[in-house]
Amino acid sequence: AQSVAQPEDQVNVAEGNPLTVKCTYSVSGNPYLFWYVQYPNRGLQFLLKYITGDNLVKGSYGFEAEFNKSQTSFHLKKPSALVSDSALYFCAVRDRTGYSTLTFGKGTMLLVSP
Amino acid sequence: DTAVSQTPKYLVTQMGNDKSIKCEQNLGHDTMYWYKQDSKKFLKIMFSYNNKELIINETVPNRFSPKSPDKAHLNLHINSLELGDSAVYFCASSQDPGGSVNQPQHFGDGTRLSIL
Repeated sequence: AQSVAQPEDQVNVAEGNPLTVKCTYSVSGNPYLFWYVQYPNRGLQFLLKYITGDNLVKGSYGFEAEFNKSQTSFHLKKPSALVSDSALYFCAVRDRTGYSTLTFGKGTMLLVSP
Repeated sequence: DTAVSQTPKYLVTQMGNDKSIKCEQNLGHDTMYWYKQDSKKFLKIMFSYNNKELIINETVPNRFSPKSPDKAHLNLHINSLELGDSAVYFCASSQDPGGSVNQPQHFGDGTRLSIL
């Protein structure tokens, strides 16, 4: 069975500082990995994904994530946080078999203070 | 134009009633999903359809019945609503040609179901 762990319920950063939201995963074989963001009363929005190749993936709104196979991690990062980045962030994993399900972590609330 | 749209946005009803939620996507995707997000924001897959055929059916009570009249629509009918059904239900779609599962999913804004 596949699973995702987001160890932090909440991450607090000051605007302009770098941010990291942590994610580790468990899946048989090689994973597809995703980050999504959810703003209040909205659906999830896709930020970025790792399929194969370069371990550093760049996505929307200046976010990036680093795939680390040995540590089974896929942490989300941004060099300089904005107040508007405050939202709920979900990491998700899917194995590479046909029609597998997308398993989400429990979410991490990011709060960026002015 | 909204890519994935759900109606209604809010649904407040009594225990024991039957209700439906509709979902439409205009992205031309071939796969659609229903997710349930509980009060702690935990998100869990319920169903997935590919080209109108059911391909994923997680451990969901059979009071929940999805229907896909065409690949752009996936509706969810719920019979005999219970208090525990209160949640936000999200529809999503993705393009997964040939069963490849690496495409992002596009979500609607959810239907907030409250059972009195």
